[in-house]
Amino acid sequence: EAGVVQSPRYKIIEKKQPVAFWCNPISGHNTLYWYLQNLGQGPELLIRYENEEAVDDSQLPKDRFSAERLKGVDSTLKIQPAELGDSAVYLCASSLGGGANTGELFFGEGSRLTVL
Amino acid sequence: AQSVTQPDIHITVSEGASLELRCNYSYGATPYLFWYVQSPGQGLQLLLKYFSGDTLVQGIKGFEAEFKRSQSSFNLRKPSVHWSDAAEYFCAVGGNTDKLIFGTGTRLQVFP
Repeated sequence: EAGVVQSPRYKIIEKKQPVAFWCNPISGHNTLYWYLQNLGQGPELLIRYENEEAVDDSQLPKDRFSAERLKGVDSTLKIQPAELGDSAVYLCASSLGGGANTGELFFGEGSRLTVL
Repeated sequence: AQSVTQPDIHITVSEGASLELRCNYSYGATPYLFWYVQSPGQGLQLLLKYFSGDTLVQGIKGFEAEFKRSQSSFNLRKPSVHWSDAAEYFCAVGGNTDKLIFGTGTRLQVFP
């Protein structure tokens, strides 16, 4: 069974440019997460989807970040315009349910963004 | 507010030596506790989890962790480390419907 797939793996852009990351979760997983991982830090939740509904986006900087999960499957995370401080790894994860009691989040390999 | 503290940023051990990675948490209710491992350039993989019951939980790759409520700790252990265990280890805490909060991680280096 395929795991969580993310693309691109690496992206280098200049500041003020837009960038988008794509995530395909494990089949049948209703819950999808986007996490931000800065160098030397643990993942921090940006947004969580239950099917196509964003149920927790309190940590998403909405002035420049947006996300969507059309049809409750694939998801896209966009940054426009990108700033130097956005350089980080963007992790996508999926799970069968939405709470910590679901037991396990399955993570993709991440998309590493470098903003010059 | 819930939080996780991993006091050790970097640990170095010799192959074959025992290992203990520390994790302390702050959570207002019964916590769900997790350990994840992240190899370079990879996503996070679940090692083990604690929900309830036996406070000593076994995980994959020979790892175990012990939940100590009195100390608000969930330390990860392995009796004999292998070179392939070199990675970043993250402790995480969550509740029944809450999101997971991750610690800042401990980087494990293994010398032959």
